[in-house]
Amino acid sequence: QLLLQESGPGLVKASGTLSLTCVVSGDFKHSGSDYWGWVRQPPGKGLEWIGSVYYSGHTYENPSLKSRVTLSLDRSGKQFSLNLTSLTAADTAVYYCARPRGRQSWFDSWGPGTLVTVSS
Amino acid sequence: QSVLTQPPSVSGAPGQTVTISCTGSNFNIGAGYDVHWYQQLPGTAPKLLISDNTNRPSGVPDRFSGSKSGTSASLAITGLQPEDEGDYFCQSYDTSLSGFSVFGTGTTVTVL
Repeated sequence: QLLLQESGPGLVKASGTLSLTCVVSGDFKHSGSDYWGWVRQPPGKGLEWIGSVYYSGHTYENPSLKSRVTLSLDRSGKQFSLNLTSLTAADTAVYYCARPRGRQSWFDSWGPGTLVTVSS
Repeated sequence: QSVLTQPPSVSGAPGQTVTISCTGSNFNIGAGYDVHWYQQLPGTAPKLLISDNTNRPSGVPDRFSGSKSGTSASLAITGLQPEDEGDYFCQSYDTSLSGFSVFGTGTTVTVL
């Protein structure tokens, strides 16, 4: 069973940068076709795809966030990261790391999520 | 910003059938991209319910079923149970810009 766990600050300042890491663990065998992704959910609202990173390191970002998002994957494949810059209150959300089964595919495993609050 | 529209809420008594629609466009569902469904119970992460329009992952009860036609998709819950109360989201792929995964606006299911 694949396990994902997000970690990072719960409170960040407006105009600053958010850095989150997701650790991959459990009974899971890495393959040459793994994708890893980030999804966020503002309080009381819906889900928004942030972006995904392929095992090769190639990244795909939501066009609405692309200018502020950096995704990366550790060479071991056991953790991946999200950086989001120029934060505003609108970036306050629960951030989930998840595994998409392809670039256009479903997310079959999710971390529990971490609440990030952007303060002024 | 979502390009997939769902009804905000649906409700039904235990044992009844409820259907949730997911309406897209020719840039996503109508272009042939598959639709996936998630269940999110209060305070928890989303859980995959249906993949590729109609496929139920192992462990998902067969009272959940999905379908797709044209620019829309639907999730049906037959024999509604109290534990089905929560939020449901559809997901697909959109090519109106550079190509991106997109979630529906979400539907809250209430068991009366």
